[in-house]
Amino acid sequence: DTAVSQTPKYLVTQMGNDKSIKCEQNLGHDTMYWYKQDSKKFLKIMFSYNNKELIINETVPNRFSPKSPDKAHLNLHINSLELGDSAVYFCASSLWDRGLGDYGYTFGSGTRLTVV
Amino acid sequence: AQSVTQPDIHITVSEGASLELRCNYSYGATPYLFWYVQSPGQGLQLLLKYFSGDTLVQGIKGFEAEFKRSQSSFNLRKPSVHWSDAAEYFCAVGALYGGATNKLIFGTGTLLAVQP
Repeated sequence: DTAVSQTPKYLVTQMGNDKSIKCEQNLGHDTMYWYKQDSKKFLKIMFSYNNKELIINETVPNRFSPKSPDKAHLNLHINSLELGDSAVYFCASSLWDRGLGDYGYTFGSGTRLTVV
Repeated sequence: AQSVTQPDIHITVSEGASLELRCNYSYGATPYLFWYVQSPGQGLQLLLKYFSGDTLVQGIKGFEAEFKRSQSSFNLRKPSVHWSDAAEYFCAVGALYGGATNKLIFGTGTLLAVQP
C-alpha cells in the first residue's frame, strides 16, 4: 500500500544511454512533481504536473522529458545521459491548492541514478 | 526571490540532550513552512508544517517548531533527542507558482548526528 512508489530504486547506466524512471501514486492527488537531489543533498524542483498538464518546468536540459499518462503517474525520461545527471531523483505528489488549507507533499523513496 | 537558509550544515548532540535546528526564510507573503526528515537511503518524511494560526506547531516524533515572523525563522526543536533521530533535516517554504502554492523551495539541509 505504498503511497508514492518509484521504480527503479537504483539505476546504473553508461553515458549516452536513454533511461526512464517511473512514478505512481495511489493517494488520489492531482499534482505530481520531480525533484533532483544532488551530491550535496540540495533538493530542487524540476517539473510539476497538475491533472496531466505541465505547470512547472524549471531550467532543466531538454534531455529531460516528463510524461504524465494520467494524474496518478508521472514518468521521467532522460536522453543522452551525462555524468552530471548522477543524482537522486524524487517523485512527489500533492493536492493542488489555491493558497489556503491543508498542503503538503508526499515523497517517494527516490531513485539513485549513477552515470558511468 | 524566495529562499531558505539552514545555517548549520552539521550538528552533533548527545542522546537525551535538547535540539534546535535553525531555519530562516525569505518570502514576500505569508509563508507556508515545512520541516522534512530524510533518513539514510530513504525518502523525505514530513515532520510538521505551518500555514497560519498558532505559531508553535507540533509534529510527529516529538518535534515542534516555532514560526517567528519578526525574525523570518522557523526553528525546529526537540526536548530530548533519541539515537534514531540521526538523519538529514530539511526546512522548506511553499512558494506561489501560477497563483497557487505548489512549489517547495528547500534549504540545504542539516545533518544531525547523535552521540550515545
